[in-house]
Amino acid sequence: RKEVEQDPGPFNVPEGATVAFNCTYSNSASQSFFWYRQDCRKEPKLLMSVYSSGNEDGRFTAQLNRASQYISLLIRDSKLSDSATYLCVVNSGGSNYKLTFGKGTLLTVNP
Amino acid sequence: GAGVSQSPSNKVTEKGKDVELRCDPISGHTALYWYRQSLGQGLEFLIYFQGNSAPDKSGLPSDRFSAERTGGSVSTLTIQRTQQEDSAVYLCASSDRVGNSPLHFGNGTRLTVT
Repeated sequence: RKEVEQDPGPFNVPEGATVAFNCTYSNSASQSFFWYRQDCRKEPKLLMSVYSSGNEDGRFTAQLNRASQYISLLIRDSKLSDSATYLCVVNSGGSNYKLTFGKGTLLTVNP
Repeated sequence: GAGVSQSPSNKVTEKGKDVELRCDPISGHTALYWYRQSLGQGLEFLIYFQGNSAPDKSGLPSDRFSAERTGGSVSTLTIQRTQQEDSAVYLCASSDRVGNSPLHFGNGTRLTVT
């Protein structure tokens, strides 16, 4: 099983749609989880951290399921500007802060 | 404040030459990471420095790749005898290790080996 695995997509959705991405990780000792966003030919930028209790930031909701070892990102009321690649990031476990990126899920929001 | 700074932003080199890529992290950040990203691909972990601990070099693809971090700040990634497959964007990121700390990326160095 890969350390961090994501559905590569692409996801093509209309404006206003709700879209969800999942990401699975292999190390049960992992403690830090993030979602990053990467626009074409740009560096990745932090979208949100993922907390154990789940967290929300405007139209974005992140959740963690430790039992099944996955994290999710839900985007509500999609905007054209949400079009990007969404990267799942997980640390190697315990106090090891090596952060491993998934290969990303490409989202295109269409007018 | 100042973000992560990488130089050069673009580098074209001939196959077989050595190259040095530089990263200046955010002041006070104890962790520094190097990743590379080939066109249309995901981020590939290369190496990670954390404070004074021994670096995690597990991602370096061959012994042609090496990195150092002097004085806990600036880092240099060196690629010796470059090959065409080394062409990629090399991204540096830093973070404050304390707590649930995200990465802050530089703009990257686009390396092209001809």
